[in-house]
Amino acid sequence: QKEVEQDPGPLSVPEGAIVSLNCTYSNSAFQYFMWYRQYSRKGPELLMYTYSSGNKEDGRFTAQVDKSSKYISLFIRDSQPSDSATYLCAMRANPGLAGGTSYGKLTFGQGTILTVHP
Amino acid sequence: ETGVTQSPTHLIKTRGQQVTLRCSSQSGHNTVSWYQQALGQGPQFIFQYYREEENGRGNFPPRFSGLQFPNYSSELNVNALELDDSALYLCASSWEAGDGYTFGSGTRLTVV
Repeated sequence: QKEVEQDPGPLSVPEGAIVSLNCTYSNSAFQYFMWYRQYSRKGPELLMYTYSSGNKEDGRFTAQVDKSSKYISLFIRDSQPSDSATYLCAMRANPGLAGGTSYGKLTFGQGTILTVHP
Repeated sequence: ETGVTQSPTHLIKTRGQQVTLRCSSQSGHNTVSWYQQALGQGPQFIFQYYREEENGRGNFPPRFSGLQFPNYSSELNVNALELDDSALYLCASSWEAGDGYTFGSGTRLTVV
């Protein structure tokens, strides 16, 4: 079983739709949570970074973390064609719990390909 | 625009050869990490350097090695290339380990 599972699979939505992306994780040491956006032929770009349970909002994006359920989500409101990209969730352990061999390591989900059509 | 640059952007190598990939981090970023991203997958952690010393390593064999230099540049070296090494190699840097990382656009390595 992978440490981080990301769903849904490829997603196609009309412009203006609300998009929900989700990840579950199994490692209780994960304390820091990120969402990255990756356009084709580009590196991942950090969208959201949070370390506490609850919601964090930034413009059209809301990141939600539920540590008790080991579940994180990213919501995109009023989706635009320019939001079409691969979205990756990523997690990192607390440095005190990470251990010497994985300090700073990000563990990613497999990504969700989002297409927003006009 | 990203402050992390990688070179080359594309590379084709033959199985068994050696390759060196390069990364230039943002000035002041003391931490650099390297990731391997296979097609359709999320990036996998290879290793991390902090102030020129390796301080974290993922499940990659010793033929994957690296260096970090005082001028915020770094290298990823892969010896004895295998077909499965074909992937996008990403460099990421931050002020300190644990900050939000800035990724470069990657080097696409194809092993034939």
